[in-house]
Parts: sequence; C-alpha cells; structure tokens
Amino acid sequence: QSVLTQPPSVSAAPGQKVTISCSGSSSTIGNNFVCWYQHLPGRAPKLLIYDNDKRPSGIPDRFSGSKSGTSATLGITGLQTGDEADYYCVTWHSSLFAVVFGGGTKLTVL
Amino acid sequence: EVQLVESGGDLVQPGRSLRLSCAASGFTFNDYAMHWVRQAPGKGLEWVSGISWNSGIIGNADSVKGRFTISRDNAKNSLYLQMNSLRAEDTAFYYCAKDRDLLGATTGAFDVWGPGTMVTVSS
Repeated sequence: QSVLTQPPSVSAAPGQKVTISCSGSSSTIGNNFVCWYQHLPGRAPKLLIYDNDKRPSGIPDRFSGSKSGTSATLGITGLQTGDEADYYCVTWHSSLFAVVFGGGTKLTVL
Repeated sequence: EVQLVESGGDLVQPGRSLRLSCAASGFTFNDYAMHWVRQAPGKGLEWVSGISWNSGIIGNADSVKGRFTISRDNAKNSLYLQMNSLRAEDTAFYYCAKDRDLLGATTGAFDVWGPGTMVTVSS
C-alpha cells in the first residue's frame, strides 16, 4: 500500500474535465514538491507536472497541478480519448529518504 | 537527441544475480542524478533507487535495500543496477530515468525515460 493515496479510477466524457487527487502527509506532500506522470500501456512514463504546478515544455495547458497542505490534485480539461492512461503522483519522502509514487489512477474517457 | 537505453533484462532463477545497464546520450550525463523505476505486472510504478550526479548520495527503496546496488560511470555516460538475491517479486519492467533538476536534490521529477527492460525471476 502506497504512502500516497490516489483513487483507483476516474472517468469522464470527451471534452469534459476531470481531477485526480493525491493524499499524503507532512513527511511527503506537506513539505515537498509534487509531480505527476502519465503512463500509457507499453510506453515510458511522461512527466506532466513538476514542482506542484509547472508544466515541462511540450505539455499542453489542458494539464494543471495544484497542492494544498498534504494533498495535491491533477486537473485535465478538454478530455480526449488519447488521455486514457494511468496517472501517478510522486514526491519525496523526508523520513524514508526515498522517492514515493502514488498507487496510480486509471483514467477512462467514455 | 536526449536518449536513455536500458539493457541486461533477462529470465533468471530466484537467488541469482543480474546487472542492468543504461546508456545515456544527448545531454551532459554527469550533471544530473539518475534513477531506476520499475513496474511489476499488473502493478503501479515503484521507485527502486537513485544516485546523485557525483555518486555522493544514493537512495534505495526498502524493498531492495541490501540486495540492489546502483552505480554510475560518468566517463562512460552509463548507469547500472546490480541486483543480487533476486526474488519472484522483483519481476518487473525496469526503467532508467533522468532527474530533471541540474545538480540538485531530487523532487521525483524525471524528465527523460528509457523504453525499459524486462526482468523475470522464476525457476
């Protein structure tokens, strides 16, 4: 069981908006930056968000990140069928001295 | 082109050893921390190990401490993972990943990933 808690799955219709939550603690999200990854089957993971809310070059502004206290949220607007993937939140665990991944959330675009 | 390519994945018996390699190109390898991340069949992503740009700081997941050793050769632009005392639960796709932050402490932001290499531990 991961120290970062994500919902196992979320779904929404094309064109709609979806949010994915990530809950941690003061040892993780509360005192460290959060990033988010998209992982398509058979592909390498892709960095979507880093430092809580920054997008790497090439990531569309349909993807956004936010953090409040010990929780973080990934938002995706204008959903496309190509957004169907697993999404992971990631941060540093100050006590474990380790990078920790959330359990992952499977996004289905209906 | 910035690129990472893993190699060394194989079918191996429990208790045996295996060494993974990751060849980097297209960026200044010795400026960045590097990591190994794995995904077991049907499971999520799991950070395995990380090493700072100068090998001065190394971290490992509890699940591999004492068994896996990460190392790097900056002269060869290469990252390694020595895996000893392999267990069935180590069966996974292993990815090499580049830290985004130049010469800094990791935040878990990995901006370049290799295609991965499969390790299967089974008798």
